[in-house]
Amino acid sequence: QKEVEQDPGPLSVPEGAIVSLNCTYSNSAFQYFMWYRQYSRKGPELLMYTYSSGNKEDGRFTAQVDKSSKYISLFIRDSQPSDSATYLCAMSALPGGGADGLTFGKGTHLIIQP
Amino acid sequence: AAGVIQSPRHLIKEKRETATLKCYPIPRHDTVYWYQQGPGQDPQFLISFYEKMQSDKGSIPDRFSAQQFSDYHSELNMSSLELGDSALYFCASSSSWDRNYGYTFGSGTRLTVV
Repeated sequence: QKEVEQDPGPLSVPEGAIVSLNCTYSNSAFQYFMWYRQYSRKGPELLMYTYSSGNKEDGRFTAQVDKSSKYISLFIRDSQPSDSATYLCAMSALPGGGADGLTFGKGTHLIIQP
Repeated sequence: AAGVIQSPRHLIKEKRETATLKCYPIPRHDTVYWYQQGPGQDPQFLISFYEKMQSDKGSIPDRFSAQQFSDYHSELNMSSLELGDSALYFCASSSSWDRNYGYTFGSGTRLTVV
């Protein structure tokens, strides 16, 4: 079993909908949680960074971490066609990743229909 | 704002040849990371450098080596290339002063081995 599980999708929703993206993980040592957005043939772009459990909001994006359930979520409000991309969750036990680097999920391919 | 610069953007090499990938981190970032992303795969951590010294080592093959120079740019040297080395290679950088903010990826170098 992979350390981080993420549904690859594709997830297709109409413009304006609220999108919910999720990852589960098995390593209880993970404390640093990130969400990256990756457009085709581009590098991952950091969207949200959270430490330990809790919520963090930035514009239309909200990240939630539930360490007791080993479950993290990213919510996108008022979704736009430009949000269509692959969303990767990433996590680590140490800031910067340490010897293992960041552990990524496989990514969820999101399609926002105009 | 300045981003992580990688060169070249695309590279085509034959089997058993060598390749050198370059990464220029964000100014004042002192840590550089290298990741490999195969088609449809999540990024895999290769190696990282902090203040020009190797910091952590992930799943980097022995055929690969890397270093960070005095101006903080980094190079990934790949020898005896194999077809399976075809992938996107990302460099990322971070500041040890700001490790709570994740790190920034470059746009990647697409290596094709034929």
